[in-house]
Amino acid sequence: DAKTTQPPSMDCAEGRAANLPCNHSTISGNEYVYWYRQIHSQGPQYIIHGLKNNETNEMASLIITEDRKSSTLILPHATLRDTAVYYCIVRVQAAGNKLTFGGGTRVLVKP
Amino acid sequence: DAGVIQSPRHEVTEMGQEVTLRCKPISGHDYLFWYRQTMMRGLELLIYFNNNVPIDDSGMPEDRFSAKMPNASFSTLKIQPSEPRDSAVYFCASSLKGVEAFFGQGTRLTVV
Repeated sequence: DAKTTQPPSMDCAEGRAANLPCNHSTISGNEYVYWYRQIHSQGPQYIIHGLKNNETNEMASLIITEDRKSSTLILPHATLRDTAVYYCIVRVQAAGNKLTFGGGTRVLVKP
Repeated sequence: DAGVIQSPRHEVTEMGQEVTLRCKPISGHDYLFWYRQTMMRGLELLIYFNNNVPIDDSGMPEDRFSAKMPNASFSTLKIQPSEPRDSAVYFCASSLKGVEAFFGQGTRLTVV
């Protein structure tokens, strides 16, 4: 699986959009971009994934650049409960392909 | 569904003792994963199963660790003998066809 690079930490203001970047310059054509988050003392939680088109669900939006070498997770209206470590993972969506977690970005939402 | 259920939530044991962690995956899911999380090493995949069969155990740190999945609704991770360096939070996760993984709340293991 391709390696990802994320900033170790970032702050954002409550109610504002949080834009979390991820670089994956060695991504292959059949690799998807996944985002998970881990709130303190809980297990990781799936947020969203995509291949090349932008994706949106009730939690977030995922913007993938045209060359697919980077992506941005957008939390449209951050709340204090969004404070967590966010993991960007690139993997082949073959059945059973394992999830490998890196260091992630520690996001602190401030009032 | 109640989600992935792990037990116990907390375990404190003495060095040298056997420890068994348990996991009940989401009904109908065909993949089960065991992860370990420490401050130093982050989240590490230990082993995963597909339809109760171990597929990749390359993350299991050593022979003291073993995992079984006797049926689709139950898995165990056993450490024998336990050592202080095994202290960590152990997560179990399950998924359908390996896409979106659902994690349990974890078992915090402390070996003294």
